[in-house]
Amino acid sequence: DSGVTQTPKHLITATGQRVTLRCSPRSGDLSVYWYQQSLDQGLQFLIHYYNGEERAKGNILERFSAQQFPDLHSELNLSSLELGDSALYFCASSVESRFQETQYFGPGTRLLVL
Amino acid sequence: AQSVTQPDIHITVSEGASLELRCNYSYGATPYLFWYVQSPGQGLQLLLKYFSGDTLVQGIKGFEAEFKRSQSSFNLRKPSVHWSDAAEYFCAVGARGSYIPTFGRGTSLIVHP
Repeated sequence: DSGVTQTPKHLITATGQRVTLRCSPRSGDLSVYWYQQSLDQGLQFLIHYYNGEERAKGNILERFSAQQFPDLHSELNLSSLELGDSALYFCASSVESRFQETQYFGPGTRLLVL
Repeated sequence: AQSVTQPDIHITVSEGASLELRCNYSYGATPYLFWYVQSPGQGLQLLLKYFSGDTLVQGIKGFEAEFKRSQSSFNLRKPSVHWSDAAEYFCAVGARGSYIPTFGRGTSLIVHP
């Protein structure tokens, strides 16, 4: 158990819908990272938040957005969903945002868009 | 931009046999290198990482990896595989000045009893 929790574990929805994925980092970690793992694209970095502020963006679609709240949990919002958004979404956390630090991954949320 | 290639999609070994998983990277300078393991239904767990210094890196669960600059490789090894090592293994590279890794496509390890 990494100490990072993600809810829900599974999500099934229809095209055009909007969903929210939630991530609680390890106690004391200020950084939260979101990743998408799909068969087509592999594991890709989406976005990073540090202590409530956006720090880096990767291959995140405009239909996707995220935020980190004062209690440091984070939410990833996916809207106007398409079939291709079906994937496993991971969040990870680390204490700060330095390259030396280990990122601890949650178990992921599996999203299926029908 | 950096990139990672894991040439083997699947590797099958017998329990007790040695293991080597290949990883090749592309980056203009000395990169940061990582190996992660993903067990079924789990998130990724860091096995080991290389930033500088000794090119042979020891990790958790009996794994080690060797950085070879001349071959742009960072292969993962284990002398004796256990059935519980069956999982997906990801190599990742990070650029100096960035803390966001780029992941390879993964190698699925199958362990026969």
